[in-house]
Amino acid sequence: NAGVMQNPRHLVRRRGQEARLRCSPMKGHSHVYWYRQLPEEGLKFMVYLQKENIIDESGMPKERFSAEFPKEGPSILRIQQVVRGDSAAYFCASSPRETVTNEKLFFGSGTQLSVL
Amino acid sequence: SQQGEEDPQALSIQEGENATMNCSYKTSINNLQWYRQNSGRGLVHLILIRSNEREKHSGRLRVTLDTSKKSSSLLITASRAADTASYFCATRMEYGNKLVFGAGTILRVKS
Repeated sequence: NAGVMQNPRHLVRRRGQEARLRCSPMKGHSHVYWYRQLPEEGLKFMVYLQKENIIDESGMPKERFSAEFPKEGPSILRIQQVVRGDSAAYFCASSPRETVTNEKLFFGSGTQLSVL
Repeated sequence: SQQGEEDPQALSIQEGENATMNCSYKTSINNLQWYRQNSGRGLVHLILIRSNEREKHSGRLRVTLDTSKKSSSLLITASRAADTASYFCATRMEYGNKLVFGAGTILRVKS
């Protein structure tokens, strides 16, 4: 029973390139959350998705960032025209279908994005 | 701004001692959760306490919640070197979908 799978584990991009981060939730989970963590800091909420729907994107920058969770396949966090300030660890978490309110989150191991 | 704020920012203790970390938050919550993060890894859920609960235990962990003071504490008893990690509190607000994390406490247990 695999946990939350994120890939790649490490991603290096040059300024102006695109970064695509993938997240496969745990089996049976249909809620996905993306968080961003800077060194020595806590996690900052970015976006919450259910299958084919963005539920809360209040933490997502208005430009260059987008997220999707298609009916089939992993959730994708896409960062266009990356800048050095985008360098961070990006974590995905999932929770089960029902009873969202009192559910804990299951986290992946994260993708470390480095922008040169 | 972050909903939860932990203190201390860093804590260094000897193996066998108890470690206490505190968390304060700002708005009404549905529940409060504590997570642990080992260096370079994802977060692992430790314990969840609901807004109508005051204390909860799980193994060597004890969590308290004071909704009147909007604060929580995590106590790890008889600490071990393997407890060395960062600990985060996270709150799920009364109305909302997301879990909001604090900045964390870095715990170092020396053997």
